[in-house]
Amino acid sequence: DVKVTQSSRYLVKRTGEKVFLECVQDMDHENMFWYRQDPGLGLRLIYFSYDVKMKEKGDIPEGYSVSREKKERFSLILESASTNQTSMYLCASSLSEGRKTEAFFGQGTRLTVV
Amino acid sequence: AQKITQTQPGMFVQEKEAVTLDCTYDTSDPSYGLFWYKQPSSGEMIFLIYQGSYDQQNATEGRYSLNFQKARKSANLVISASQLGDSAMYFCALPQGGFQKLVFGTGTRLLVSP
Repeated sequence: DVKVTQSSRYLVKRTGEKVFLECVQDMDHENMFWYRQDPGLGLRLIYFSYDVKMKEKGDIPEGYSVSREKKERFSLILESASTNQTSMYLCASSLSEGRKTEAFFGQGTRLTVV
Repeated sequence: AQKITQTQPGMFVQEKEAVTLDCTYDTSDPSYGLFWYKQPSSGEMIFLIYQGSYDQQNATEGRYSLNFQKARKSANLVISASQLGDSAMYFCALPQGGFQKLVFGTGTRLLVSP
């Protein structure tokens, strides 16, 4: 069974902390994504990676960075957490080829910054 | 830029009835695809169905089908014979640029009552 696994389901962090959200996929997918989900806004793309060490900004990259040192792992980093980063974070992966290729998602991390 | 519009924040349906969830889109790509995902309360996004813009027939997957009207730029999801387990958020999504980046609508929350 294919899997995308996020390291935490729930996290509570303090303002100013450096926060790491980890995502691992076991499908040998080239593409990996971090989305943020907020009520009434749907999912918005923060960053994505199409290969090891390759990354590109999505629609809302401010306040975030990412790391992809190995193909199976994609980390989202909040350099200095702020309350407006309280949200649901979803990691996804997909193959690089094929228009019909669906993305597979992790279970999500609900982050609260206090 | 690609845009997805889901105008129904919430929908109610009785068990065993059919329901249609609306999705309209805007894209300048001559060839594109549309995805529908389901998000139960557990948080994970589950791929349901895909429609290619040049597919000859509307997509079907079990109880899910797409009412795809290219000229109207709509791709409505039809769920037949609703079940209690269909209660969830439903998102329509459109690839943007390369690498299977997705643009999502704001979602529709479906509640199925006994």
